[in-house]
Amino acid sequence: AQTVTQSQPEMSVQEAETVTLSCTYDTSESDYYLFWYKQPPSRQMILVIRQEAYKQQNATENRFSVNFQKAAKSFSLKISDSQLGDAAMYFCAYQGGSNYKLTFGKGTLLTVNP
Amino acid sequence: DADVTQTPRNRITKTGKRIMLECSQTKGHDRMYWYRQDPGLGLRLIYYSFDVKDINKGEISDGYSVSRQAQAKFSLSLESAIPNQTALYFCATSEGGKKMPQHFGDGTRLSIL
Repeated sequence: AQTVTQSQPEMSVQEAETVTLSCTYDTSESDYYLFWYKQPPSRQMILVIRQEAYKQQNATENRFSVNFQKAAKSFSLKISDSQLGDAAMYFCAYQGGSNYKLTFGKGTLLTVNP
Repeated sequence: DADVTQTPRNRITKTGKRIMLECSQTKGHDRMYWYRQDPGLGLRLIYYSFDVKDINKGEISDGYSVSRQAQAKFSLSLESAIPNQTALYFCATSEGGKKMPQHFGDGTRLSIL
């Protein structure tokens, strides 16, 4: 079974600075997808960014980018120019297998300090 | 209007009661999912459905049942609620295909006393 590990329960960053959230996963599959979801205090689950395992190029969405290291099974999220609205719980998730279900990490709570 | 709507948004009930959480979607997606979120544990899959006639158990299905009444509706039932089922419950939908992301409703916060 796939597992997803987020080793940082909490992180903090100063406004306008850059922060990196870590995620590692374990799988024997070669075809899978990785996601970062954001959960603000409003509790919505918002898709931030996704990465296809067969693509070597790291995904980027505005201030959000990933560092995908397939051999190391690592998928970190970098947030540049952090804003107060980035404060949230961030979940790393793996999608694969025959049923395409998502396996989530336990989350990293990001605090942004003004 | 939300694409994935969950009702109720919050619910407080007593041990032993039967509870139904409802999910409807306007996205036209075939696949629907129910997750449970507990503090420190992330989200865990309860049940999922790939179409109206296809229902599958997730990793924590004990104590829960589901019904896929139509393509757009997927409900989760707790036949006899117990306090350790207190959690935040999410419904999600997706198109077919492995790379399709799941889209979540706003969640139902359920408290069982």
